[in-house]
Amino acid sequence: QITLKESGPTLVKPTQTLTLTCTVSGLSLSTSGVGVGWIRQPPGKALEWLALIYWNDDKRYSPSLKSRLTITKDTSKNQVVLTMTNMDPVDTATYYCAHRQAIQIWPFDYWGQGTLVTVSS
Amino acid sequence: DIQLTQSPSFLSASIGDRVTITCRASQGISSFLAWYQQTPGKAPKVLIYAASTLQSGVPSRFSGSGSGTEFTLTISSLQPEDFATYYCQQLESYPYTFGQGTKLEIK
Repeated sequence: QITLKESGPTLVKPTQTLTLTCTVSGLSLSTSGVGVGWIRQPPGKALEWLALIYWNDDKRYSPSLKSRLTITKDTSKNQVVLTMTNMDPVDTATYYCAHRQAIQIWPFDYWGQGTLVTVSS
Repeated sequence: DIQLTQSPSFLSASIGDRVTITCRASQGISSFLAWYQQTPGKAPKVLIYAASTLQSGVPSRFSGSGSGTEFTLTISSLQPEDFATYYCQQLESYPYTFGQGTKLEIK
């Protein structure tokens, strides 16, 4: 059974850096084809894809946020970490991590429960 | 970036109705499209991928069709648990954009 769980602060101040961790169970991040991505959703708004990292350390970012995002993985802990710099109140959202395989048709088939991050002074 | 436009944004329907949601891409994406269902406070759940392939465990009243730039999600007979928000997502190229969502409400 594959599960993902997000963790991190629920409140950050403007200009601070956000660090979120996705802990994956039921599969290894070092297994060929495995990918984990981050998607966010501001309250009452649509989903926004942020970043993705694959088993071979291939990394992809949303161009509009690329300068602020860094995605990494720790295979020993089976975790994926997303950092987002210079947080702003507009970054208030529920942040999800999700799994996909490195096959073009493959959707995000397993999702974490999400974690709400509020940006406020 | 590839833009996805869903229509309608809001849909009111009754139990047993047949409903169709459309997703249009700003450029051709072959069949690299997925549909998700999201209920309040929950993570999205994949229903359809590769435009028309039903995800394991998803009821057969859900179906998808289309290729290129126009896609549809059809629910053949609405059940109470289907009232939710639906999103399309393209997987043809990065960034993997989503549509703006279609909220399906009970009439």
